[in-house]
Amino acid sequence: QSALTQPASVSGSPGQSITISCTGTNSDVGDYHYVSWYQQHPGKAPKLIIFEVSNRPSGVSDRFSGSKSGNTASLTISGLQAEDEADYFCCSYTTHITLGVVFGGGTRLTVL
Amino acid sequence: QVQLQESGPGLVKPSETLSLTCSVSGGSISSYYWSWIRQPPGKGLEWIGYIYYSGRTNYNPSLKSRVSISLDTSKNQFSLRLRSVTAADTAVYFCAREDSGIIAFDVWGQGTMVTVSS
Repeated sequence: QSALTQPASVSGSPGQSITISCTGTNSDVGDYHYVSWYQQHPGKAPKLIIFEVSNRPSGVSDRFSGSKSGNTASLTISGLQAEDEADYFCCSYTTHITLGVVFGGGTRLTVL
Repeated sequence: QVQLQESGPGLVKPSETLSLTCSVSGGSISSYYWSWIRQPPGKGLEWIGYIYYSGRTNYNPSLKSRVSISLDTSKNQFSLRLRSVTAADTAVYFCAREDSGIIAFDVWGQGTMVTVSS
């Protein structure tokens, strides 16, 4: 299973908004709404912040939002805060070769 | 709330078998899919596979020939075995709970570093 494509890094200043893209194919992102996003701080386990493209788990800030268009999903973080500096990974259900999930390569967010 | 904890050797020799266990506390292992995910140093996440509480398994095709995941409901644990390891299998290994209704990993263990080296 090929990894989903994410930019290696993005950056923004406190208070600004940033968007991270996640590009797949019509065997994963394009055909299913099972796209999730995870936030990972250094040395920590990933944390689920978005599921089913645009839904937030209880307790996750509404500054995090998700969307999808065609084969590309996006994560937007508004009102950037220093604590948002972390790695972000997308994940999608896939039917390529087998039924499972595939992750993106990850994006490092730097808050300037 | 449900918590997961990985355990197992931190060092494995090349060509040997990597074995890890994930202990589930604060909830039953019944229902849900129970997964293993790994992350090589400085790299991204890779899904290894899952086991359903019924015992049904599904593995990443790239690892399928070497991996097996099993379940021990009496101990509320599930385990990973990865055979014939090489340096490329050096990674932090996470166990995670997958909510099949949303196909997302909502609970994670803290992760355990496994190094393959002689």
